[in-house]
Amino acid sequence: DADVTQTPRNRITKTGKRIMLECSQTKGHDRMYWYRQDPGLGLQLIYYSFDVKDINKGEISDGYSVSRQAQAKFSLSLESAIPNQTALYFCATSDYRDTDTQYFGPGTRLTVL
Amino acid sequence: EDQVTQSPEALRLQEGESSSLNCSYTVSGLRGLFWYRQDPGKGPEFLFTLYSAGEEKEKERLKATLTKKESFLHITAPKPEDSATYLCAVRTHNNNDMRFGAGTRLTVKP
Repeated sequence: DADVTQTPRNRITKTGKRIMLECSQTKGHDRMYWYRQDPGLGLQLIYYSFDVKDINKGEISDGYSVSRQAQAKFSLSLESAIPNQTALYFCATSDYRDTDTQYFGPGTRLTVL
Repeated sequence: EDQVTQSPEALRLQEGESSSLNCSYTVSGLRGLFWYRQDPGKGPEFLFTLYSAGEEKEKERLKATLTKKESFLHITAPKPEDSATYLCAVRTHNNNDMRFGAGTRLTVKP
């Protein structure tokens, strides 16, 4: 089984809808991250969490919110989706003993019509 | 503002034809430079971390090097299975963000 899983893998939705993307990990890592990837651009950090009680904004947090339900679960929400949020979304984890090595999930392809 | 630029955007090689990918960076206080490999439809996979100028890391046909302004990923005698997008990222002492470049898409033809 994969160490970092994301659901759904693909989602098509309409403008204005609320969307939740979920990430689960079995690596036992304390740190979790959400990134988006657009063609021709690098991965951009949306939010990150160092433990259940710690949530931090990344460089592009506007229009997104997150919830760290447990050490192993980190969800990303789009309260009112808009077309320019169409992108690939990746969840990643790292361990406090090696914060520089991040382990990525397989990604969620989100299309907002 | 911290910037990471990768070149070329795309590179096509014949099997066995060695080459290098470039990652140039402008950051204040480099803490670490990272290389990842990304296959189509998958998340990035960690390859290397470099912390100081002059440092080198090797893994199979790949060797990463670091100077004060750039990093190179050297690919020696590549095989078709090395085809992927290679991502470079940096982290500074000032924040917890990992800033990624746009990547180099490598295709190795048999």
